[in-house]
This record gives sequence, structure tokens and C-alpha cells, in this order.
Amino acid sequence: SQQGEEDPQALSIQEGENATMNCSYKTSINNLQWYRQNSGRGLVHLILIRSNEREKHSGRLRVTLDTSKKSSSLLITASRAADTASYFCALYSGGGADGLTFGKGTHLIIQP
Amino acid sequence: DVKVTQSSRYLVKRTGEKVFLECVQDMDHENMFWYRQDPGLGLRLIYFSYDVKMKEKGDIPEGYSVSREKKERFSLILESASTNQTSMYLCASSLRSGAGAGELFFGEGSRLTVL
Repeated sequence: SQQGEEDPQALSIQEGENATMNCSYKTSINNLQWYRQNSGRGLVHLILIRSNEREKHSGRLRVTLDTSKKSSSLLITASRAADTASYFCALYSGGGADGLTFGKGTHLIIQP
Repeated sequence: DVKVTQSSRYLVKRTGEKVFLECVQDMDHENMFWYRQDPGLGLRLIYFSYDVKMKEKGDIPEGYSVSREKKERFSLILESASTNQTSMYLCASSLRSGAGAGELFFGEGSRLTVL
């Protein structure tokens, strides 16, 4: 099963700035999801975007999907200290099971 | 709110011991999953189950087995723990949907150390 690749691996920005992280993959997908993980905790779902969608919003989050480039981006606007976490993209490529394949994540640090 | 509960947050076991990691979800989800998370490797799928008594191997099933006797409970078993199984183990559940994989709900994780 394919794994998404997040970029950058780590990102440090000032509070109030926007944070952008990217996910690239190799073969076609059914949907792509973004998750957040605070240190030492479980993952929390943020957004799901289907292969026929190009953009989705949720609060301060904006996700885009470009299937021709096989890439997605997650934008967090007006970042806050509480946004400090690791962010993972997860791919669903279809098939008989509903398991997701996760990337290695982007570690985001928001400096106060 | 969906709740996925993992029985132990931290465990320390000795090499060769049998280890049970328990996971319970309270939202009647059909699908349940076990992942392990290691630095630099991300999350890797060990096993999943889409129904009671059904199980499917994920990407790294070697050294593990699972049990799903009731819909709400999914157990991960390490028959003979080894040091390379020291890891964070994450359980997740989701609704089964014909429209493709939906949102996963994760537990808080079980950090296992094998000495």
C-alpha cells in the first residue's frame, strides 16, 4: 500500500503566521485525509477530501487536492500556540478494506 | 462523541512475555484497526477487522495476532514480546461505508516497552 510523503518534515513559525504543509503520493486515491497528533496522544481527524474535490475548508484549515500532480496541501491560517502538533496525511486507495495509509508527518511548532 | 478506549497507556514487559492490548469503542463501528507508530516511520497498519471474528493482515502483521469476539472490542496480542516491538500502539475505529474509507477515530495510544 502506498504511503503519502509530507513536506517539510518540520516547520517552525511565529504565532499569527500561516503554516503550509504538503503531501505527495504516487498512485491514484479515493480520498485523502489530514490528521493532527499532539505529543504523546492519539490522532484527531481534521479534514477528508475526495478525489473529485479540489478544495475544502474547515475553520482556519484549508485543504487542496491536485490529482494531476498527486499532491495535497494543508494550510493553517492565523496560527496559534495550540496548533503545535504533528500533522499527517492519510491515503485511501480503495479496495476491500477501509484502512488508511499514513505518511510520516510534519512536525509544526508555533513560536509565541 | 465517539470514544475509543485503550486499556493501558503505558506498559513495560519482558522479552518472551505474552502481551494483550485491549481496545473498546462505543459507537457501533464495524471497522477497527491496530497501528504502531515509530519515530521516522510514521504509522503502520498491523491488523484490521471489518466485522466480528473477521480479521485482515495489514502491512506488518508478523509477530502479532488479533481477536475480535465482540463488535466493540478489538485486541492485539503479542505472543512472545521482543524488544523490536517496543513502540506506541494506536487503535482506531470507523464506520463501514460503501463510499470509501471515512474518518478514523483513534484511542490515546498504548506505549509498550519490552525489556
